[in-house]
Amino acid sequence: GAVVSQHPSWVICKSGTSVKIECRSLDFQATTMFWYRQFPKQSLMLMATSNEGSKATYEQGVEKDKFLINHASLTLSTLTVTSAHPEDSSFYICSARGIQGASYEQYFGPGTRLTVT
Amino acid sequence: DAKTTQPTSMDCAEGRAANLPCNHSTISGNEYVYWYRQIHSQGPQYIIHGLKNNETNEMASLIITEDRKSSTLILPHATLRDTAVYYCIVRAREGGFKTIFGAGTRLFVKA
Repeated sequence: GAVVSQHPSWVICKSGTSVKIECRSLDFQATTMFWYRQFPKQSLMLMATSNEGSKATYEQGVEKDKFLINHASLTLSTLTVTSAHPEDSSFYICSARGIQGASYEQYFGPGTRLTVT
Repeated sequence: DAKTTQPTSMDCAEGRAANLPCNHSTISGNEYVYWYRQIHSQGPQYIIHGLKNNETNEMASLIITEDRKSSTLILPHATLRDTAVYYCIVRAREGGFKTIFGAGTRLFVKA
């Protein structure tokens, strides 16, 4: 089956620094990638949608200058949390959409736990 | 916004069938019913999906009512490892869709 990986699986950073999270589709080409954020005991919240080679589309309330998304290839998307603060501590999950047979399917990565101290 | 309604939590005895309901009364004709689950601190795991016919795979069965306004996910023999949050999602399969998660059902499988 289709596999999506994320790196790192967890990261601790100091307040004010930036952190980059990578999302890769390992065995398929992902024309679209999604980034979600999940706080403890809450559901996944969609942050943004990115299409390869285009600017990301952010959901309402998500700061695009703080959460920089790059989708430079069909197998790689990155999320950079700029000037991270403790309230940015969360579980970040990426998802990739690719063609499976005659339709599109969406596959999820294992998540990245970000802790900002 | 999520288009589904699920109970907040459910309990199930180990070895018994777990039946998780989902209401999706506003589902469109081209939308499928998808089920994912999320075990603590992991990414969502795909379970099953269907359009209007009942579906079964090695993990679960999906029963969709004839009017497609509700469905039930059945885990035939629940184990402790099935303890997770289960999300019922309706979405299209053509390009342009995005998966929006509701609150899901927290299933506790007890020994």
